[in-house]
This record gives sequence, C-alpha cells and structure tokens, in this order.
Amino acid sequence: DTGVSQDPRHKITKRGQNVTFRCDPISEHNRLYWYRQTLGQGPEFLTYFQNEAQLEKSRLLSDRFSAERPKGSFSTLEIQRTEQGDSAMYLCAGRAGGDTGELFFGEGSRLTVL
Amino acid sequence: QKEVEQNSGPLSVPEGAIASLNCTYSDRGSQSFFWYRQYSGKSPELIMFIYSNGDKEDGRFTAQLNKASQYVSLLIRDSQPSDSATYLCAVRLYNTDKLIFGTGTRLQVFP
Repeated sequence: DTGVSQDPRHKITKRGQNVTFRCDPISEHNRLYWYRQTLGQGPEFLTYFQNEAQLEKSRLLSDRFSAERPKGSFSTLEIQRTEQGDSAMYLCAGRAGGDTGELFFGEGSRLTVL
Repeated sequence: QKEVEQNSGPLSVPEGAIASLNCTYSDRGSQSFFWYRQYSGKSPELIMFIYSNGDKEDGRFTAQLNKASQYVSLLIRDSQPSDSATYLCAVRLYNTDKLIFGTGTRLQVFP
C-alpha cells in the first residue's frame, strides 16, 4: 500500500459528460503526478505538481483536461466533454523529496466513455 | 525512436529459472532508472531503481545499468508463477522531474 488513494476507482459515463477524479497522496509527497494508461501501453505522463504549483503539462493534455492541487495536498483531474478516446486508466502518483525520483502509484481510476 | 523501448513479449520461463528483462533508452543524459511490476488490472508497483552503472541487488531481483550502451535490465532469479506480470521500465530524463515509461514486457512463469 503506497498510501496514495484515488476516487472513484471506476467511472462509466456517456460521451459529452464531464468527469472528475480525485487523488489523495500522503503528506510526504510534495510532488504529485497524473498519468494515463491504455491497454497494452505504458503510463503516459499528463502533468505534475510541486506543492500547489503545476510545473509541467504534456501535449497530451488537451484543453478539455484540467488539473488542480489547490492546497498542495489532494489533486483533481477534470475531463470536460468526454470522448470515447478518453477511456483509460488514470493514475496518480506521489513522490517525496530527494534526487532519485521514484513514484508511488495509487490504484488508479478507470474511465469508460460510452 | 521511442524514448524508452522494451520488447512486449510475452517472455515465458519455467518456474525456478532466471527471467531477464531488457530496456533501452534514447536520452544519454538520463539520470535514474526504475522497474515497476504491474499485474493485470492493477496499478504499477515499484520494484527497484538504479542510477549508477553496474548491478544492484534486492532479494531475487537484480537491476543492471550500462549508461554507455543506454541499456538497463532486470533479472529475476528463481522465478515463481506469482512473478507473472507486466514489467515496466521507466527513465527519468535529463533535467526533468517526470518518468517516461516503456510499453512493458509481459512475463509468464509456468509451473
């Protein structure tokens, strides 16, 4: 158990609806990452935060995607006007300070867009 | 060329054998290298990381890094059926704080 929790674990929605995922890391994780993973692929980087600052966003993160970490603790990832291509596992990972950079993943939020 | 490349497998080994998983990366300035295990339908779980050339051992697992050849490997000794999973190689590129993952190698250990 990495201590990183994600909610909801599963979400089924209709195309065009908005969805929001939440991630709660442990207090030592000053950095928080969002990845997306589709079947047969490795996790793809979306964005990351150091405390409340969003430091990097992938080109994969279209205008329909937005992420926040308002108080430097939990984070939310919102997808607006979902498309079938958004169906994936959305993974949150925390990282403590230090140089090596290992990430500890939560259990993921699986999104199915019908 | 992909930043991190792995053979997708499956790699099939008998129980008790050594499984050898390989990964190459394109950024010569990459700093840290990670191996994650992912069971079907689950999230990636960190096995070990390495950042210096040579070998690093942790129980049945040994990570090997060769920066000159831009190559990192994971050896699993005395493979068990419970080791059957997808193994993801991840690399922290130079001057970034994110990890780039390969597509993973599926390992099957048969009794």
